[in-house]
Amino acid sequence: DTAVSQTPKYLVTQMGNDKSIKCEQNLGHDTMYWYKQDSKKFLKIMFSYNNKELIINETVPNRFSPKSPDKAHLNLHINSLELGDSAVYFCASSRQQGVAEAFFGQGTRLTVV
Amino acid sequence: KQEVTQIPAALSVPEGENLVLNCSFTDSAIYNLQWFRQDPGKGLTSLLLIQSSQREQTSGRLNASLDKSSGRSTLYIAASQPGDSATYLCAVDGANSKLTFGKGITLSVRP
Repeated sequence: DTAVSQTPKYLVTQMGNDKSIKCEQNLGHDTMYWYKQDSKKFLKIMFSYNNKELIINETVPNRFSPKSPDKAHLNLHINSLELGDSAVYFCASSRQQGVAEAFFGQGTRLTVV
Repeated sequence: KQEVTQIPAALSVPEGENLVLNCSFTDSAIYNLQWFRQDPGKGLTSLLLIQSSQREQTSGRLNASLDKSSGRSTLYIAASQPGDSATYLCAVDGANSKLTFGKGITLSVRP
């Protein structure tokens, strides 16, 4: 009964490729997020969606495009992958912005070679 | 701009010790503060959530306190066990409704 699930768990790809990471939550939450954890383990928000609408876009290159087909899904598409995109990407969700506990997926380790 | 600091970056203690992990933040205009645990190569597990109007929350051997005015939170772990070894992350949910994380404290509990 996974609450927030991401696929794939590992992704190795060459520079210049386009890839997607999928995220689904079965908690009935309104808000979903993408976070990036860099090589120094520092977590930083990338995007936030509330009821399928973009709320936060935290100075992320426009090669990164989130897409929310419905409240339960927030996918991350990355164009023209660069070496510096290598990181662990976490999806998260919360019942309501600002007041509720956030639940995280297991992460997708992206390695660009 | 909100900044969250966790010091020290790493801590090693013998089993059974009670310990306190510290977290400080620069902007007191927060909705809540959340403590997470991250095991190597794994995702984040939420431990405790403290709303801005609350002073503390408890779950089992864990107790988290919040002093919003001074921009501080502590996570108290009682009777530490080797299974508590992990990285503990503090995150504040602020006016922009996004979690701002500290860099975490890597805890090692020696048997």
